[in-house]
Amino acid sequence: EAGVAQSPRYKIIEKRQSVAFWCNPISGHATLYWYQQILGQGPKLLIQFQNNGVVDDSQLPKDRFSAERLKGVDSTLKIQPAKLEDSAVYLCAGGSGTSWETQYFGPGTRLLVL
Amino acid sequence: GENVEQHPSTLSVQEGDSAVIKCTYSDSASNYFPWYKQELGKRPQLIIDIRSNVGEKKDQRIAVTLNKTAKHFSLHITETQPEDSAVYFCAASTGANNLFFGTGTRLTVIP
Repeated sequence: EAGVAQSPRYKIIEKRQSVAFWCNPISGHATLYWYQQILGQGPKLLIQFQNNGVVDDSQLPKDRFSAERLKGVDSTLKIQPAKLEDSAVYLCAGGSGTSWETQYFGPGTRLLVL
Repeated sequence: GENVEQHPSTLSVQEGDSAVIKCTYSDSASNYFPWYKQELGKRPQLIIDIRSNVGEKKDQRIAVTLNKTAKHFSLHITETQPEDSAVYFCAASTGANNLFFGTGTRLTVIP
């Protein structure tokens, strides 16, 4: 389905290296979320944007993770330096920005840190 | 913050039987409860959701019930089919659109 785009789909890096993920939500979606989904668990919110402003980044490990959505459209999530426990699928989701919005997920980026 | 617990972690049913997945939440301010289906290697997809002003919602073979007093909600799938096999996640939100997910239920429908 046409919708949230993410790249790359897969990434393998060594610990202490840096990595960046990109997300482009559905056109017009005001909110954008980055989630971390560790194997066998539910998605965990890392950061929530409303347009180009951060709404919630309370669960983002800010010593190594950063994210931006400069123009209020696409977004990048960076990890620097990566640790073994960062191995997970990183999901991006977008929503209309209204209350009780449906969140539409992208296909995710599967990261393996060796 | 919100804590969502989900049971069971795995569920196997015969094709045609019903499946029930249960979730509890901790924050009484939560008022929106979506359910997502995630097939292996694919993105989570919304299958049904319920808001706190209703107790039950149905969409063909899928229904969700909500008990605000007990702080639990359930997903019911009737007449299960092999294509229903997937991992199902419940979630809760206070309306600020910050979803807290359960740990997932792997449903297997045996033909």
